[in-house]
Amino acid sequence: QKEVEQNSGPLSVPEGAIASLNCTYSDRGSQSFFWYRQYSGKSPELIMFIYSNGDKEDGRFTAQLNKASQYVSLLIRDSQPSDSATYLCASSGTSYGKLTFGQGTILTVHP
Amino acid sequence: NAGVTQTPKFQVLKTGQSMTLQCAQDMNHNSMYWYRQDPGMGLRLIYYSASEGTTDKGEVPNGYNVSRLNKREFSLRLESAAPSQTSVYFCASSKQEETQYFGPGTRLLVL
Repeated sequence: QKEVEQNSGPLSVPEGAIASLNCTYSDRGSQSFFWYRQYSGKSPELIMFIYSNGDKEDGRFTAQLNKASQYVSLLIRDSQPSDSATYLCASSGTSYGKLTFGQGTILTVHP
Repeated sequence: NAGVTQTPKFQVLKTGQSMTLQCAQDMNHNSMYWYRQDPGMGLRLIYYSASEGTTDKGEVPNGYNVSRLNKREFSLRLESAAPSQTSVYFCASSKQEETQYFGPGTRLLVL
């Protein structure tokens, strides 16, 4: 079983809607969680990270972490066509500096 | 400040040929990483280097070797390329644990 699981999608939402991206992880020792965005043919870029239970907001993005349920999510409010990309969830466990990535969720925001 | 740079951008090899992928960072980061990305597989860690002079295997190290030449540079070598090594290779770096910044990637095709 892969340690970090994401629904590969594609997830399609209309412009202006809230996009909800979900991620589960199996390693209870995971400390921190990261969301990266990757446009087609480009490298991943960090959107935000979270390490405490609850919500963390940054502009239109909100990350949510529930360690008891081993669940991480990313909400994108007022979705724009420019948000169309693959979103990668990653966890940092007990091994120094090592991240484990999920397979990514493809998001399409249509006008 | 170029961040993380990788060379070459594209490469075509024949089975059995060797090559070295180069990575350099100018952010004074201690840790550097090599990943491969295949469709539907997310990012998988090949090797990483927590600090200058140290290297460790990741999830998929077979068929690869690495060298941490100095604090700035971390190279990945394929001694005898195989078609299964056709992939996109990303180098990343981080100052300490966790938040990683990625290079633009190298697209490798092994015939």
